[in-house]
Amino acid sequence: QVQLQESGPGLVKPSETLSLTCTVSGGSISSTYWSWIRQPAGKGLEWIGRIYISGSTDYSPALKSRVTMSVDTSKNQFSLKLSSVTAADTAIYYCARVNVHNWFDPWGQGTLVTVSS
Amino acid sequence: EIVMTQSPATLSVSPGERATLSCRASQSVSSNLAWYQQKPGQAPRLIIYGASTRATGIPARFGGSGSGTEFTLTISSLQSEDFAVYYCQQYNNWPPITFGQGTRLEIK
Repeated sequence: QVQLQESGPGLVKPSETLSLTCTVSGGSISSTYWSWIRQPAGKGLEWIGRIYISGSTDYSPALKSRVTMSVDTSKNQFSLKLSSVTAADTAIYYCARVNVHNWFDPWGQGTLVTVSS
Repeated sequence: EIVMTQSPATLSVSPGERATLSCRASQSVSSNLAWYQQKPGQAPRLIIYGASTRATGIPARFGGSGSGTEFTLTISSLQSEDFAVYYCQQYNNWPPITFGQGTRLEIK
């Protein structure tokens, strides 16, 4: 079965760029969309965006100006970059597979990213 | 942006009893609604999609209903492992895909 694992720095300085990678195992990254979703501590879920293997992307309007997603099919990975971060970007970041109708299953375990100097 | 509102924020129910969780959309999302369960320290897990279809491996005690703007997640005969936070998510009008703020289901 498909499993996802997020990786990347757990601490990012304000104004810098947050960079995370999601590695897909147990299946191919091809033929579907993949998403990033975040969750501030004790709060709800926020969809960041999704990417297809072709590189086609859709982003949340609230974050669109700061988000870049990319995919590396040779490594079965996709990535997230979020620029100009502030403390408000501190959250657990999840990667997830997107069903063709845009629900999410499965999810990675999540990785905590803290924005602090 | 479609706003999803869940109620109540916290629901206290005894094991073995029935729990009913509500989700309301600010405009119609047809049947394009999913429910997730999240336990402490874990990622969300898909339990319902298409408003009423159980995901793979989800027990039959979980049931989803509704369409348009009003949705319900019902858990009959609560088991200890069912106490968690539940989120609804719409995928009808996007971007953005949006989630409700969650309902915490706790043991009474």
